[in-house]
Formats: sequence, C-alpha cells, structure tokens
Amino acid sequence: NAGVTQTPKFQVLKTGQSMTLQCAQDMNHEYMSWYRQDPGMGLRLIHYSVGAGITDQGEVPNGYNVSRSTTEDFPLRLLSAAPSQTSVYFCASRRGRQGMTYEQYFGPGTRLTVT
Amino acid sequence: AQSVTQLDSHVSVSEGTPVLLRCNYSSSYSPSLFWYVQHPNKGLQLLLKYTSAATLVKGINGFEAEFKKSETSFHLTKPSAHMSDAAEYFCVVSDGTGTASKLTFGTGTRLQVTL
Repeated sequence: NAGVTQTPKFQVLKTGQSMTLQCAQDMNHEYMSWYRQDPGMGLRLIHYSVGAGITDQGEVPNGYNVSRSTTEDFPLRLLSAAPSQTSVYFCASRRGRQGMTYEQYFGPGTRLTVT
Repeated sequence: AQSVTQLDSHVSVSEGTPVLLRCNYSSSYSPSLFWYVQHPNKGLQLLLKYTSAATLVKGINGFEAEFKKSETSFHLTKPSAHMSDAAEYFCVVSDGTGTASKLTFGTGTRLQVTL
C-alpha cells in the first residue's frame, strides 16, 4: 500500500492564481479530510468527506473547494490564492464505522507559498 | 464542543532522562484521545490511542500515556529520551466514533533532546 499520497510537495503561487492539491489513498477508507498547519496553531480542518459524493466544511473552509467523485481521490482547490493561504497542507484518511474509532493516516504534506 | 490544551509549547530534556508532555482535554462525549508525532518536514504518525479500554496506553517507540478522567488529562511519557525522539507532538481528541467524528488538535509541543 502506498497509503496517502499528495502532490505536489512544494508549490509557489502568485496572489489570485488558482490550483489544485491532489490527494489519493489506496486503503479504501471512507473518510478523507484536508488540514492546514500553521505555526503555533496545530492542524485545522478545512473540508472533509465521509464517502464518495459527500463533502462538508470544517473549521476554516473559506477560499477552498473540494469534491469526492471516487473513494480514492479527494482534491483540494484554491480558487484565488491569497498570502493568508501560505501554509502546509495535509490530507488524511481513515476508516469510518459507527461505534469504532480508527487511526487517521496522513500524507506527507504540501508546502504552499503565496506571494 | 471539544478542545485540547497542550500545556507546554516547548520541552527540552537530556538524552536518557524521562519525557513528560502534558495534555488536558475538554469533551462533551466519552472521548477518544490520540498522540501523534511529526518529525521535521514529515507527515504525522500515530504514537498511541485511547478508546475507553485500558486507561494506561502503550504506544510505539517506548511511549505511553495515561487517561485520567478526574483530571481530564492524557499526558505522554517515556522513561528515557533518545535523540531520535526530537520532534513535534500533538494531542488530539475525537468527538465520537464512526465516519463523521471530528478530530481536534492541540497546538503541539516541540520536544528537544540534548546530549
């Protein structure tokens, strides 16, 4: 298993540009999510999905879109990049079954700089 | 609502001495709690998890944590620090079980290990 993969590893954008961060998992996990990590703030949830075709907002969704057309893929789109979106982005996935608590697996991260 | 407080943003220990990373939580539910470790420029890796079974939880690399409901704490310990333990550690609380449960991250504790 490759686990959770993310591309690209690094990206520099100019203000106003758009781009898509890719995330894929090969563990057949129902739940996938995107976090951003900023110094001194831990990880904050941007968007999540509990299955193909179902997405919902997390704590900091503004400026980001997601879709989940397949179980494996969960791309994150930045619509019009702003310097405040400079961050490290992590994709994660886990199983989801009522009554059970499962480990969340994280990708290696994408370091994004917006100038 | 749930929250996590990591009481120290930075902890420095000498190699071979004990490690204590402190975490307090607040949750309306019977919580699940996790500790994750992040080495520099890497993703997050699960160290251990508590899910209402034994209150003393053993994890990887010699780490363990004790769930104390009366103190709402879940402190992480290790008897003897190793240089390779230098990393950032996150305490995480889950608000339930199943697909839609959400994780709340603490702000992290950076562990420095000196010779």
